[in-house]
Amino acid sequence: GAVVSQHPSWVICKSGTSVKIECRSLDFQATTMFWYRQFPKQSLMLMATSNEGSKATYEQGVEKDKFLINHASLTLSTLTVTSAHPEDSSFYICSARGAGHEAFFGQGTRLTVV
Amino acid sequence: QKEVEQNSGPLSVPEGAIASLNCTYSDRVSQSFFWYRQYSGKSPELIMSIYSNGDKEDGRFTAQLNKASQYVSLLIRDSQPSDSATYLCAVYSGTSYGKLTFGQGTILTVHP
Repeated sequence: GAVVSQHPSWVICKSGTSVKIECRSLDFQATTMFWYRQFPKQSLMLMATSNEGSKATYEQGVEKDKFLINHASLTLSTLTVTSAHPEDSSFYICSARGAGHEAFFGQGTRLTVV
Repeated sequence: QKEVEQNSGPLSVPEGAIASLNCTYSDRVSQSFFWYRQYSGKSPELIMSIYSNGDKEDGRFTAQLNKASQYVSLLIRDSQPSDSATYLCAVYSGTSYGKLTFGQGTILTVHP
C-alpha cells in the first residue's frame, strides 16, 4: 500500500521559534499534498493544498506567511510554522495523493509550543 | 448545508453486531468516495474506496454507494472492540484543487 512518512512525530518548541515538518511519499509520486490541523476532539481542518513545483493554495483564514509550505519534489513537502505561539499547538497531519483519487495520510506531528 | 454530512454519533454497538455508518454529500459531480478510520490520537487511515454505484466488500467492511440519492454508507460486520474509532467519510469531486471534502466524523464504540 501507499506509505506516507511524516517527521517528526512530536516536537516541543519555544514560543517565537520556527518548526519544520516533513512529509514524504515513500513508494509513489505525490502530485498533490495536503496539510491539515486537528485540535483535540475536533474534525480535520484543511490548511492548504500544494502541487509539486507550484505555490500552495491556502484555505480561507490560514496565514500563508505563518504556515510556509514547500512542495519541491514529487515525494517531499514541508510545512514550516514560523514564529510559533502556544495557540499553534496542535496535531498537524499531511496527506498525499498520486495518480488516483485516494489520499494517504502521514502519521501526524504533535506540536507543543511552550 | 454542509457539503458532506455523516450520521450524528456517537454510535454504540455490541461486539459481533453490524455497525452502519452513513454519509450524504451535496455535490452531484462527486466522483470518488472514501472511508477513513481514525483512532484517538492517530492520523486517519484509508479503509475503503468506492467509485461506482452498488456495493463493494472488503473483509468485514462493505461500502455502498447510491449516486442518485447522493448517499454512501459503510457497514462493519461482526464488529470488534478494535473497530472503536472515528470514521470519516470523504468525497472527491475534481474541483477545488482536487481536495477531499470530509464529513465531521462518526464516533463508533463497540462494547464487549
